[in-house]
Amino acid sequence: DSGVTQTPKHLITATGQRVTLRCSPRSGDLSVYWYQQSLDQGLQFLIQYYNGEERAKGNILERFSAQQFPDLHSELNLSSLELGDSALYFCASSVDGRAKGTQYFGPGTRLLVL
Amino acid sequence: GNSVTQMEGPVTLSEEAFLTINCTYTATGYPSLFWYVQYPGEGLQLLLKATKADDKGSNKGFEATYRKETTSFHLEKGSVQVSDSAVYFCALTMMNYGGSQGNLIFGKGTKLSVKP
Repeated sequence: DSGVTQTPKHLITATGQRVTLRCSPRSGDLSVYWYQQSLDQGLQFLIQYYNGEERAKGNILERFSAQQFPDLHSELNLSSLELGDSALYFCASSVDGRAKGTQYFGPGTRLLVL
Repeated sequence: GNSVTQMEGPVTLSEEAFLTINCTYTATGYPSLFWYVQYPGEGLQLLLKATKADDKGSNKGFEATYRKETTSFHLEKGSVQVSDSAVYFCALTMMNYGGSQGNLIFGKGTKLSVKP
């Protein structure tokens, strides 16, 4: 158990809909990362937050947004969903968000868009 | 840009065989290098890491050495077990000017199956 929790575990929805994925980092970790794992694209970095502020952005679509709240949990919002958004979404956390640090991954949310 | 290339799988080995999974990287600066492992149905776990050239990371019998001259970080284990069956990901992070950016750039993953 990494100490990172993600909810829900599974999500099935329809095209055009909007969903919210939630992540609680390990106790004491200030930085949260979101990654998308799909068969064709592999594991891709979406976005990073540190202590409530956006720190880095990767291949995140404009239809997707995220935020980190004062209690340090984070939410990833996916809107106008398309079939191709079906993937496993991971959240990871680290103490300070630095390059040498260890990122601890949650179990993921599996999203299926029908 | 920065990238990671690792050998394609799947790799199938018998128990107690020697394992090597090749990983090379392209980076404009001085990356930190990682191996993560993903067991079926689970998230990723850090297996080992190395943050500077010639560092050796090791854990649970796995080893990898950061080779700057060959831009490689190959994963090795002397004697694999059935419980090592998983997908292994090589990854890097780059230090930006402020030292603060730490997002992982992953290779495509190598699936390892160990038969008894």
